[in-house]
Amino acid sequence: GENVEQHPSTLSVQEGDSAVIKCTYSDSASNYFPWYKQELGKGPQLIIDIRSNVGEKKDQRIAVTLNKTAKHFSLHITETQPEDSAVYFCAASGAAGNKLTFGGGTRVLVKP
Amino acid sequence: DAGVIQSPRHEVTEMGQEVTLRCKPISGHDYLFWYRQTMMRGLELLIYFNNNVPIDDSGMPEDRFSAKMPNASFSTLKIQPSEPRDSAVYFCASSLSGESYEQYFGPGTRLTVT
Repeated sequence: GENVEQHPSTLSVQEGDSAVIKCTYSDSASNYFPWYKQELGKGPQLIIDIRSNVGEKKDQRIAVTLNKTAKHFSLHITETQPEDSAVYFCAASGAAGNKLTFGGGTRVLVKP
Repeated sequence: DAGVIQSPRHEVTEMGQEVTLRCKPISGHDYLFWYRQTMMRGLELLIYFNNNVPIDDSGMPEDRFSAKMPNASFSTLKIQPSEPRDSAVYFCASSLSGESYEQYFGPGTRLTVT
């Protein structure tokens, strides 16, 4: 089955700096790669996703890049703000319909 | 729409007791997922349904866990008997088949087994 590795597990950045989280996946058939943000006491919420026919996608201060050859994808947050502090999860979905395999999560702390 | 609804939000029970967690997916969604989240194991998929039919239960840890979806608007996850190692946050999520695979998560049920 699919295996998703996520790094780093914790990330501390100064407000205004950029944050980068990286994930690798094992199943070359995976074709959908979402990123979820989880705030304290809440369920994960989708913030951005990318499909295998696209190399990069951007939405305001967040962007995701995908390298299918190397089987890795990354989340980039620019101009970080305190409200970006949360746990971020990457995930991958392959041929098995809507099933997602999640990475281990990255706890991001943005220091004012 | 109110989103995915889970109940109870918190459950404290003693080892050996039966626990039932409940989920109401977003109306019209045809996929429903049950996840367990712990510090040690992260976010694990336990089981998922499509059109009320269980598709993959390979993540269910053992026979003490069972899940049902009697209709499109309700699902339960039952643990009998419960053990302290079952303590975790359990999430339900739903999605709509088609181009987008976005899963919408509920607020979770925090289970503590003493």
